[in-house]
Amino acid sequence: QKEVEQDPGPLSVPEGAIVSLNCTYSNSAFQYFMWYRQYSRKGPELLMYTYSSGNKEDGRFTAQVDKSSKYISLFIRDSQPSDSATYLCATPSQAGTALIFGKGTTLSVSS
Amino acid sequence: NAGVTQTPKFQVLKTGQSMTLQCAQDMNHNSMYWYRQDPGMGLRLIYYSASEGTTDKGEVPNGYNVSRLNKREFSLRLESAAPSQTSVYFCASSEIGVLAKNIQYFGAGTRLSVL
Repeated sequence: QKEVEQDPGPLSVPEGAIVSLNCTYSNSAFQYFMWYRQYSRKGPELLMYTYSSGNKEDGRFTAQVDKSSKYISLFIRDSQPSDSATYLCATPSQAGTALIFGKGTTLSVSS
Repeated sequence: NAGVTQTPKFQVLKTGQSMTLQCAQDMNHNSMYWYRQDPGMGLRLIYYSASEGTTDKGEVPNGYNVSRLNKREFSLRLESAAPSQTSVYFCASSEIGVLAKNIQYFGAGTRLSVL
């Protein structure tokens, strides 16, 4: 089992929809979780990070961690065509020396 | 702020040729990383350097070598390119430690084709 699993999609939604992107992880020792956004032919850029359980909100984006089920989510409210990108979840390895990435979910928001 | 700069942006090689991908960061980070990204495979770590003077293998190091030239620069070398090394290569840098959370900052990538 991969340490971080993510459904690759693709996911297509109309503009204004609420989007839910999800990852699962296997190691209960993981504490920090990050979401990166990657536009086509660009490098990943950090969108949000959260620590342990709970929610973190930043504008239209909410990151949620459920440690009991080892599930992390990113919600996008009022999705826009500019949100069309690949979203990658990540967590630091137990040694703290690298990030473990999910494979990414490709999102397309149509106007 | 330039952040993480990679050169070249594109490269086409013939099988057996060698080349070096260059990476430089201006954020004074201690740690630097090389990843490759392939369709359906996600980002896979090739090598990393936790600090100047140290390098370690990641998940897919075979066929690659690295050099941490100084705190700013971390290069990736393909000694004898193979078609299986056709990929998009990303360099990243970060601070690691209890408070730093290892948030990595990425360059724009190098698109490499090996024919």
